[in-house]
This record gives sequence, structure tokens and C-alpha cells, in this order.
Amino acid sequence: AQKITQTQPGMFVQEKEAVTLDCTYDTSDPSYGLFWYKQPSSGEMIFLIYQGSYDQQNATEGRYSLNFQKARKSANLVISASQLGDSAMYFCAITFGNKLVFGAGTILRVKS
Amino acid sequence: GAVVSQHPSRVICKSGTSVKIECRSLDFQATTMFWYRQFPKQSLMLMATSNEGSKATYEQGVEKDKFLINHASLTLSTLTVTSAHPEDSSFYICSSRDSSYEQYFGPGTRLTVT
Repeated sequence: AQKITQTQPGMFVQEKEAVTLDCTYDTSDPSYGLFWYKQPSSGEMIFLIYQGSYDQQNATEGRYSLNFQKARKSANLVISASQLGDSAMYFCAITFGNKLVFGAGTILRVKS
Repeated sequence: GAVVSQHPSRVICKSGTSVKIECRSLDFQATTMFWYRQFPKQSLMLMATSNEGSKATYEQGVEKDKFLINHASLTLSTLTVTSAHPEDSSFYICSSRDSSYEQYFGPGTRLTVT
């Protein structure tokens, strides 16, 4: 079965600095997808970035990039130039068939 | 991106009553819809998967008679919490999936049972 691990319950970062949120996974499927979502206090789930297991390049979306290390089964999210609005809960998720399995999440707080 | 709506956004009900939550995909046809439950400061836990016109598939430990799911059309799925109790108070989120890999999430419904 798929398993997603986010080992950082909470993180602090200074405004304008970069931060890395860790995510490791375990799966026996050769084909899978990895997602990162942001959930602010309002509760909505905001899609940030996607990485397919066969993608050769690391995914990037604006200030978000995914450090995909397939052999190590890690898919860390890097947020560059942090902004106060980045303060939220961040979830890593992996596909399992047509479902998504979520990690426990990391609360990020951006300090001014 | 695709838009998914949920209604209501917040609901308070008395213990023993039933509550219906609607999830609509507004600009695409959702072949599959998912219902999640989230307790404060915790992760999303998948409750069930519904496909249009067929019975929902429930995750282990989720009572199908308590959480009734109906997916009558390609744009609408409903979750009914029957005989709600305070322990059912939670944040319920739906998501819809078209033919691609991506799931589009609704804004969520906060249920409080008094």
C-alpha cells in the first residue's frame, strides 16, 4: 500500500527566504503521481505542483519547485522567496489507483 | 482550473438529525468524486469514492449506513450524515476528478453537531 510521510509537524521561515518541506513515500507501483497542496486557515485545498514518477525533470510552478529524488523516494517541496501569505498547512499526497493518500501535513509559518 | 462547489459551507445541526452536503463540479463532468473528512490539525482521510450511476466504495472503517453517498449525475454528488452525533463534527471536503490525474477540491463544509 502507498504511504506518505511528512516528518516536520511545523516549520518557521523568515520572509523572503527559501524553505524546504520534506516528503518521503513508499509504493510498489512503478507509475504514480506526487502532489503538493496548500491549505490555508479557510480550509480550501489549493493545488501547488505535480510530479509524475516517469517525469525526467523536477516540476516547477512559479515559486514552487519539487526536489524529486526517485531512488530515495523523496519529493520535497521548495518554496522560494517566502511571503507572509505562504503561512498555511502543506500536504504531500501520492496516487493510489484513482485515489490520493495524504501525508500528515506540515504547518508553515512565515515570519516578518 | 476546474471549479468544484460545496453547499453548505457551514452547518450546525442537533444530535440525531440528518444533514446533506452537496458537491458540484461546475465546468466539467466528473467521472469520479471523492469524499474526505478532516479533523482539526489533521490530514484528510478518504471516506468514500463515488462513480456516477453506481454505488459508492467506502474505505475501511467508514459506516456506509451512516454516511450515505449518492452520485446521481456527472456534476453532482451528495453526502448525507444520518443520525448525526457530536463525534461526527468535522470538516468534510469533496473532490472531483475528470479523465486526467488531477483532483479538484471543493471549499469544504464545516459540520457542527450539538
